[in-house]
Amino acid sequence: GENVEQHPSTLSVQEGDSAVIKCTYSDSASNYFPWYKQELGKRPQLIIDIRSNVGEKKDQRIAVTLNKTAKHFSLHITETQPEDSAVYFCAATMTTGTASKLTFGTGTRLQVTL
Amino acid sequence: EPEVTQTPSHQVTQMGQEVILRCVPISNHLYFYWYRQILGQKVEFLVSFYNNEISEKSEIFDDQFSVERPDGSNFTLKIRSTKLEDSAMYFCASSIFGADGYTFGSGTRLTVV
Repeated sequence: GENVEQHPSTLSVQEGDSAVIKCTYSDSASNYFPWYKQELGKRPQLIIDIRSNVGEKKDQRIAVTLNKTAKHFSLHITETQPEDSAVYFCAATMTTGTASKLTFGTGTRLQVTL
Repeated sequence: EPEVTQTPSHQVTQMGQEVILRCVPISNHLYFYWYRQILGQKVEFLVSFYNNEISEKSEIFDDQFSVERPDGSNFTLKIRSTKLEDSAMYFCASSIFGADGYTFGSGTRLTVV
């Protein structure tokens, strides 16, 4: 089955700096890669996603890149703000038109300091 | 914005007792899921459900677990005889088709004492 690894486990940046979180996946059949932000005690919230037919996607301060050959994808947050502090999870799945089981990475705790 | 609703938000139960966690998926969604997150760890897939039957289940989803869609709106997870290690946050999710519209509920924190 799919295995997703995520690094780093913790990341501390100063406000205004950029943050990069990296994930690798094992199953070349995976074709959908969402990123979730989770605040303490809350549900995972989708912040951006990318499909395997696209190499990069951007939404304001957040971007995701995908390298299918190397089987890795990354989340980039620019101009970080204190409210970006949370745990971020990457995930991977193969969407076949049936139920899609998400395999999550182990999470990155991002701390944005003033 | 449509939401996936879960009840209760927090449940405390004694070891060996049965619990039922309830979820109301988004109304036009066809696929339903349960995930588990032990405190401080990653979110783990338990089971997916479509057309009134289980599509896939993980190793965690053993004979103590069952799912049901008893009516047109609810989707439940039953744990028959709870163990201490079942203590976790349980998230329900639903999707329209495959990964489209994948939405998580706010979770039920299960504490087994």
